[in-house]
Amino acid sequence: EPEVTQTPSHQVTQMGQEVILRCVPISNHLYFYWYRQILGQKVEFLVSFYNNEISEKSEIFDDQFSVERPDGSNFTLKIRSTKLEDSAMYFCASSPTKLARMGTQYFGPGTRLTVL
Amino acid sequence: DQQVKQNSPSLSVQEGRISILNCDYTNSMFDYFLWYKKYPAEGPTFLISISSIKDKNEDGRFTVFLNKSAKHLSLHIVPSQPGDSAVYFCAARVDNYGQNFVFGPGTRLSVLP
Repeated sequence: EPEVTQTPSHQVTQMGQEVILRCVPISNHLYFYWYRQILGQKVEFLVSFYNNEISEKSEIFDDQFSVERPDGSNFTLKIRSTKLEDSAMYFCASSPTKLARMGTQYFGPGTRLTVL
Repeated sequence: DQQVKQNSPSLSVQEGRISILNCDYTNSMFDYFLWYKKYPAEGPTFLISISSIKDKNEDGRFTVFLNKSAKHLSLHIVPSQPGDSAVYFCAARVDNYGQNFVFGPGTRLSVLP
């Protein structure tokens, strides 16, 4: 069964450093998403991406964040200058259709980001 | 800002019995709801959804009930199995075209053999 993959599984970085979290969505999917879950808190939507542009983003997704689909398979989340509060599990997801009434998302296993 | 609430952080149920997971929301504009299941070290897995025009949706052992007037939905799992032990998240969407889902904090279900 096709699945969403994410690398690395755990990323440790120093505050102020840039990080890039990588995701390979399911190959025939068209919509891509990033979510995060701070330890002990709820899952939070960050951004959705379609047709090579951001279609929706939350207030969390500020200028420090960017997303890119650099080729036909990868979908990346970049944090330009990490802060301690960026420490979280970051989940990538993809869906074959717009997450409308019938669509479902397939989540990756997550990347745990630890900012020291 | 807790637009989606799951007031029980944990629930224990005997195998074979019914598990009922509850979710309350405050935003009357939410029009579509989903339940996700999450095992440790894995991403959330979609379970079942319901549109605000319905009050019930069933898929195998899983049934979701929606009470719009009470702004309440529940997930019933019958019969519960040990493999159902996981964290269950309720999520809600604001409008037909949005992809921004608001998640609840989750309820940890333990199904005891």
